[in-house]
Amino acid sequence: DAGVIQSPRHEVTEMGQEVTLRCKPISGHNSLFWYRQTMMRGLELLIYFNNNVPIDDSGMPEDRFSAKMPNASFSTLKIQPSEPRDSAVYFCASSRDFGGTEAFFGQGTRLTVV
Amino acid sequence: SQQGEEDPQALSIQEGENATMNCSYKTSINNLQWYRQNSGRGLVHLILIRSNEREKHSGRLRVTLDTSKKSSSLLITASRAADTASYFCATQGANNLFFGTGTRLTVIP
Repeated sequence: DAGVIQSPRHEVTEMGQEVTLRCKPISGHNSLFWYRQTMMRGLELLIYFNNNVPIDDSGMPEDRFSAKMPNASFSTLKIQPSEPRDSAVYFCASSRDFGGTEAFFGQGTRLTVV
Repeated sequence: SQQGEEDPQALSIQEGENATMNCSYKTSINNLQWYRQNSGRGLVHLILIRSNEREKHSGRLRVTLDTSKKSSSLLITASRAADTASYFCATQGANNLFFGTGTRLTVIP
């Protein structure tokens, strides 16, 4: 398996624009996480899906952020409209189940909002 | 952070020495995991210890867990320059996987 695949790797956008980040989890994994990493806040859990259903989205910072998982092999994180303070590295991770197994991380998307 | 803190924030040692990192967390957990992150890369899982375990070993890694103190430690023995990275603890509860603030380890050749 190729691992968790995120796209794009880098994204530079202007304030106010819509940004969509994409994630393909490892086949057979039924848990998916979205994280945001900044120097100030470290790694923040934004949302967690289990079997394509959002279980906990309490970490989503604002209504400008939304996440979907239409099927087991694809998830998106959308920011609309984007702001400079959204600049961060966004990671997607998946795990086989949520009973206590390791999470596999993608390489991340570095988002810069100017 | 959402769950806990790690200390020290940064650690610099000579190759061959042991490195110890500590993690404290806030709520009850199902398990605690340690991850490593090289600069500009995603996190890589190192080891998982369940809440009913007290100690676990994997190669040069030794992890302890004290649920009464809500703390864990990661020991890397006989460090190598290639161990230079950031190390994070992560606590897994009912509906989350929260990461600590991380320790930046530098191993000097």
